[in-house]
Amino acid sequence: GEDVEQSLFLSVREGDSSVINCTYTDSSSTYLYWYKQEPGAGLQLLTYIFSNMDMKQDQRLTVLLNKKDKHLSLRIADTQTGDSAIYFCAERVGADGLTFGKGTHLIIQP
Amino acid sequence: GAGVSQSPSNKVTEKGKDVELRCDPISGHTALYWYRQSLGQGLEFLIYFQGNSAPDKSGLPSDRFSAERTGGSVSTLTIQRTQQEDSAVYLCASSLARETEAFFGQGTRLTVV
Repeated sequence: GEDVEQSLFLSVREGDSSVINCTYTDSSSTYLYWYKQEPGAGLQLLTYIFSNMDMKQDQRLTVLLNKKDKHLSLRIADTQTGDSAIYFCAERVGADGLTFGKGTHLIIQP
Repeated sequence: GAGVSQSPSNKVTEKGKDVELRCDPISGHTALYWYRQSLGQGLEFLIYFQGNSAPDKSGLPSDRFSAERTGGSVSTLTIQRTQQEDSAVYLCASSLARETEAFFGQGTRLTVV
Protein backbone atom coordinates (compact mmCIF):
# COMPACT_ATOMS: atom_id res chain seq x y z
CA GLY A 1 0.00 0.00 0.00
CA GLU A 2 0.93 3.63 -0.24
CA ASP A 3 1.86 5.67 2.79
CA VAL A 4 3.67 8.96 3.07
CA GLU A 5 4.91 10.09 6.49
CA GLN A 6 6.04 13.50 7.66
CA SER A 7 6.67 15.18 10.99
CA LEU A 8 3.80 17.49 11.88
CA PHE A 9 5.87 20.46 13.07
CA LEU A 10 9.27 22.02 12.48
CA SER A 11 10.46 25.16 14.22
CA VAL A 12 13.50 27.09 12.98
CA ARG A 13 15.06 30.49 13.54
CA GLU A 14 14.85 33.08 10.81
CA GLY A 15 17.98 32.91 8.68
CA ASP A 16 18.70 29.27 9.50
CA SER A 17 18.16 26.38 7.12
CA SER A 18 14.99 24.30 7.38
CA VAL A 19 15.04 20.62 6.55
CA ILE A 20 11.68 18.93 6.13
CA ASN A 21 11.77 15.15 5.90
CA CYS A 22 9.42 12.66 4.32
CA THR A 23 9.36 8.89 4.01
CA TYR A 24 7.31 6.84 1.61
CA THR A 25 6.65 3.15 1.23
CA ASP A 26 6.06 2.49 -2.46
CA SER A 27 9.38 1.82 -4.17
CA SER A 28 7.76 2.19 -7.60
CA SER A 29 7.14 5.91 -7.13
CA THR A 30 7.86 7.76 -10.35
CA TYR A 31 7.72 11.35 -9.17
CA LEU A 32 7.99 12.95 -5.73
CA TYR A 33 6.70 16.42 -5.01
CA TRP A 34 6.82 19.17 -2.44
CA TYR A 35 3.81 21.45 -2.14
CA LYS A 36 3.43 24.55 0.02
CA GLN A 37 0.16 25.66 1.55
CA GLU A 38 -0.07 29.12 3.05
CA PRO A 39 -2.93 29.91 5.46
CA GLY A 40 -6.29 29.99 3.69
CA ALA A 41 -4.77 29.17 0.32
CA GLY A 42 -4.63 26.19 -1.98
CA LEU A 43 -1.54 24.11 -2.56
CA GLN A 44 1.31 25.52 -4.56
CA LEU A 45 3.83 23.23 -6.23
CA LEU A 46 7.30 24.12 -5.00
CA THR A 47 9.40 21.53 -6.75
CA TYR A 48 9.43 17.92 -7.85
CA ILE A 49 12.03 15.29 -8.53
CA PHE A 50 12.09 12.28 -10.82
CA SER A 51 12.71 9.01 -9.09
CA ASN A 52 15.95 8.48 -11.05
CA MET A 53 17.48 11.64 -9.58
CA ASP A 54 19.29 12.04 -6.27
CA MET A 55 19.21 15.79 -5.91
CA LYS A 56 17.58 18.85 -7.38
CA GLN A 57 18.40 22.44 -6.52
CA ASP A 58 16.30 25.49 -7.27
CA GLN A 59 17.45 28.76 -5.71
CA ARG A 60 16.97 28.39 -1.94
CA LEU A 61 15.39 24.94 -2.27
CA THR A 62 17.31 21.67 -2.34
CA VAL A 63 15.55 18.33 -2.68
CA LEU A 64 17.39 15.15 -1.76
CA LEU A 65 16.10 11.70 -2.62
CA ASN A 66 17.39 8.48 -1.12
CA LYS A 67 15.60 5.71 -2.97
CA LYS A 68 17.21 2.95 -0.96
CA ASP A 69 15.75 4.35 2.27
CA LYS A 70 12.65 5.79 0.55
CA HIS A 71 13.47 9.14 2.11
CA LEU A 72 12.85 12.57 0.62
CA SER A 73 13.91 15.88 2.11
CA LEU A 74 13.38 19.54 1.35
CA ARG A 75 16.00 22.02 2.50
CA ILE A 76 15.15 25.71 2.55
CA ALA A 77 18.22 27.88 2.91
CA ASP A 78 18.09 31.22 4.76
CA THR A 79 14.55 30.63 6.01
CA GLN A 80 12.37 33.76 6.00
CA THR A 81 9.07 34.59 7.68
CA GLY A 82 7.37 34.22 4.31
CA ASP A 83 8.34 30.55 4.31
CA SER A 84 5.95 29.93 7.18
CA ALA A 85 3.42 27.44 5.80
CA ILE A 86 2.48 23.78 5.68
CA TYR A 87 4.70 21.71 3.42
CA PHE A 88 3.29 18.56 1.87
CA CYS A 89 5.32 15.72 0.48
CA ALA A 90 3.56 13.70 -2.24
CA GLU A 91 4.34 10.72 -4.40
CA ARG A 92 2.96 9.54 -7.68
CA VAL A 93 2.99 5.87 -8.55
CA GLY A 94 2.43 5.12 -12.24
CA ALA A 95 -0.89 6.52 -13.43
CA ASP A 96 -2.39 6.87 -9.97
CA GLY A 97 -3.32 10.12 -8.31
CA LEU A 98 -0.94 11.76 -5.89
CA THR A 99 -0.62 10.39 -2.36
CA PHE A 100 0.12 13.10 0.17
CA GLY A 101 1.61 13.15 3.62
CA LYS A 102 -0.23 14.97 6.40
CA GLY A 103 1.97 18.03 6.00
CA THR A 104 4.68 19.65 8.10
CA HIS A 105 3.91 22.99 9.74
CA LEU A 106 7.03 25.15 9.40
CA ILE A 107 7.20 27.70 12.21
CA ILE A 108 9.68 30.55 11.95
CA GLN A 109 11.08 32.06 15.12
CA PRO A 110 12.42 35.63 14.97
CA GLY B 1 -8.68 32.71 -15.56
CA ALA B 2 -5.21 31.24 -15.50
CA GLY B 3 -5.63 28.93 -12.55
CA VAL B 4 -7.94 26.24 -11.22
CA SER B 5 -11.15 27.81 -10.00
CA GLN B 6 -13.43 26.29 -7.38
CA SER B 7 -16.83 27.40 -6.20
CA PRO B 8 -18.21 28.14 -3.77
CA SER B 9 -15.24 29.05 -1.61
CA ASN B 10 -17.29 28.38 1.51
CA LYS B 11 -20.41 26.29 2.00
CA VAL B 12 -22.38 25.74 5.17
CA THR B 13 -25.09 23.12 4.94
CA GLU B 14 -27.42 21.29 7.25
CA LYS B 15 -26.86 17.65 8.00
CA GLY B 16 -28.78 15.49 5.55
CA LYS B 17 -28.78 17.98 2.70
CA ASP B 18 -27.04 17.41 -0.64
CA VAL B 19 -24.23 19.69 -1.82
CA GLU B 20 -22.49 20.26 -5.13
CA LEU B 21 -18.96 21.56 -5.40
CA ARG B 22 -17.65 22.86 -8.70
CA CYS B 23 -14.18 22.84 -10.23
CA ASP B 24 -13.04 24.64 -13.38
CA PRO B 25 -9.65 23.24 -14.34
CA ILE B 26 -6.97 25.01 -16.30
CA SER B 27 -7.91 25.03 -19.97
CA GLY B 28 -6.34 22.14 -21.84
CA HIS B 29 -5.57 20.07 -18.76
CA THR B 30 -6.74 16.51 -19.31
CA ALA B 31 -6.24 15.26 -15.77
CA LEU B 32 -8.44 16.41 -12.89
CA TYR B 33 -8.29 15.36 -9.24
CA TRP B 34 -10.43 15.85 -6.17
CA TYR B 35 -8.89 15.70 -2.70
CA ARG B 36 -10.27 16.22 0.77
CA GLN B 37 -8.33 17.97 3.51
CA SER B 38 -9.66 17.34 6.97
CA LEU B 39 -8.22 18.91 10.10
CA GLY B 40 -5.14 16.96 11.10
CA GLN B 41 -5.69 14.36 8.39
CA GLY B 42 -3.61 15.68 5.53
CA LEU B 43 -4.83 15.28 1.99
CA GLU B 44 -7.07 12.38 1.08
CA PHE B 45 -7.40 11.35 -2.55
CA LEU B 46 -11.02 11.07 -3.69
CA ILE B 47 -11.28 10.68 -7.47
CA TYR B 48 -9.21 11.15 -10.62
CA PHE B 49 -10.36 11.89 -14.17
CA GLN B 50 -8.05 11.42 -17.15
CA GLY B 51 -9.36 12.45 -20.54
CA ASN B 52 -12.18 10.20 -21.71
CA SER B 53 -11.07 7.23 -19.60
CA ALA B 54 -13.21 5.83 -16.83
CA PRO B 55 -12.46 7.77 -13.64
CA ASP B 56 -10.51 6.28 -10.77
CA LYS B 57 -13.07 6.37 -7.97
CA SER B 58 -11.06 4.32 -5.52
CA GLY B 59 -10.76 7.14 -2.99
CA LEU B 60 -14.43 7.98 -2.61
CA PRO B 61 -15.28 7.26 1.05
CA SER B 62 -18.87 6.15 0.54
CA ASP B 63 -21.63 5.88 -2.05
CA ARG B 64 -22.90 9.27 -0.90
CA PHE B 65 -19.99 10.78 -2.84
CA SER B 66 -20.01 11.04 -6.61
CA ALA B 67 -18.31 13.18 -9.22
CA GLU B 68 -18.67 13.86 -12.88
CA ARG B 69 -16.71 15.73 -15.45
CA THR B 70 -18.69 17.12 -18.33
CA GLY B 71 -17.10 17.61 -21.73
CA GLY B 72 -13.68 16.85 -20.30
CA SER B 73 -13.61 20.20 -18.53
CA VAL B 74 -15.73 21.31 -15.56
CA SER B 75 -16.16 18.81 -12.74
CA THR B 76 -18.80 18.61 -10.04
CA LEU B 77 -18.37 16.72 -6.78
CA THR B 78 -21.69 15.82 -5.20
CA ILE B 79 -22.17 14.75 -1.61
CA GLN B 80 -25.60 13.40 -0.79
CA ARG B 81 -27.15 13.34 2.67
CA THR B 82 -24.21 15.20 4.17
CA GLN B 83 -22.87 14.18 7.56
CA GLN B 84 -20.83 16.19 10.03
CA GLU B 85 -17.75 14.11 9.26
CA ASP B 86 -17.94 15.41 5.68
CA SER B 87 -16.83 18.82 6.96
CA ALA B 88 -13.48 19.54 5.33
CA VAL B 89 -11.78 21.55 2.64
CA TYR B 90 -12.32 19.96 -0.77
CA LEU B 91 -9.48 20.67 -3.17
CA CYS B 92 -9.51 20.25 -6.91
CA ALA B 93 -6.37 20.03 -9.03
CA SER B 94 -5.65 19.67 -12.72
CA SER B 95 -2.60 18.73 -14.72
CA LEU B 96 -1.68 18.72 -18.38
CA ALA B 97 -1.17 14.99 -18.31
CA ARG B 98 -1.09 12.34 -15.64
CA GLU B 99 2.67 12.53 -15.17
CA THR B 100 3.00 16.28 -14.89
CA GLU B 101 2.61 18.59 -11.92
CA ALA B 102 -0.84 19.24 -10.57
CA PHE B 103 -2.09 22.78 -10.00
CA PHE B 104 -4.54 23.25 -7.15
CA GLY B 105 -7.53 25.46 -6.68
CA GLN B 106 -8.15 27.41 -3.49
CA GLY B 107 -10.56 24.80 -2.24
CA THR B 108 -14.14 24.77 -0.98
CA ARG B 109 -14.53 24.78 2.78
CA LEU B 110 -17.58 22.66 3.59
CA THR B 111 -19.13 22.88 7.02
CA VAL B 112 -21.97 20.54 7.89
CA VAL B 113 -23.99 21.68 10.90
